[in-house]
Amino acid sequence: SQQGEEDPQALSIQEGENATMNCSYKTSINNLQWYRQNSGRGLVHLILIRSNEREKHSGRLRVTLDTSKKSSSLLITASRAADTASYFCATDERDDKIIFGKGTRLHILP
Amino acid sequence: DAGVIQSPRHEVTEMGQEVTLRCKPISGHDYLFWYRQTMMRGLELLIYFNNNVPIDDSGMPEDRFSAKMPNASFSTLKIQPSEPRDSAVYFCASSSQGGDYEQYFGPGTRLTVT
Repeated sequence: SQQGEEDPQALSIQEGENATMNCSYKTSINNLQWYRQNSGRGLVHLILIRSNEREKHSGRLRVTLDTSKKSSSLLITASRAADTASYFCATDERDDKIIFGKGTRLHILP
Repeated sequence: DAGVIQSPRHEVTEMGQEVTLRCKPISGHDYLFWYRQTMMRGLELLIYFNNNVPIDDSGMPEDRFSAKMPNASFSTLKIQPSEPRDSAVYFCASSSQGGDYEQYFGPGTRLTVT
């Protein structure tokens, strides 16, 4: 079963611009996570936001969560070439499982 | 800590052969997860363990797949016999607090079955 759906599927922006990715999910959650995957590598955890939180920051990352709309967004400010990667949201399900979306492929243009 | 270690990094095998993928989780992590990633299906959870005990194997595609965790520092995922549709990247991840908290992923094993 797939819980989170990222939007857009792919995004290309100029270096220095902000990148925004969205995630929508279907059922109620306890928390939502964002991960990054560089080409040919494993996923790296970026940030976790709990259902009672509305916004969270980590460096150039800002995550928002709207439980009434069942959606989250990941904002990367002042993008860099190193931000080129795929970004996944993951939502918790019962029994210690999380379900990953199919990801947004972000390409930062020089 | 070296992080999650997987071996081999690449595996090319012929249809019908047995394939064994290996994983060493981060020391002290009680949860271990096996995922499969393909372009078509994305990242799928195959099975996960807590304290070396398999908790949920509902994602294992069929009986050709099996996983074991004989101790806290080692797990295997075996495919026997392998088929071309098993070609994918297989990831192992570990966590100290459960599956719905931060997971640490290994570099993955890229499996190609010809």
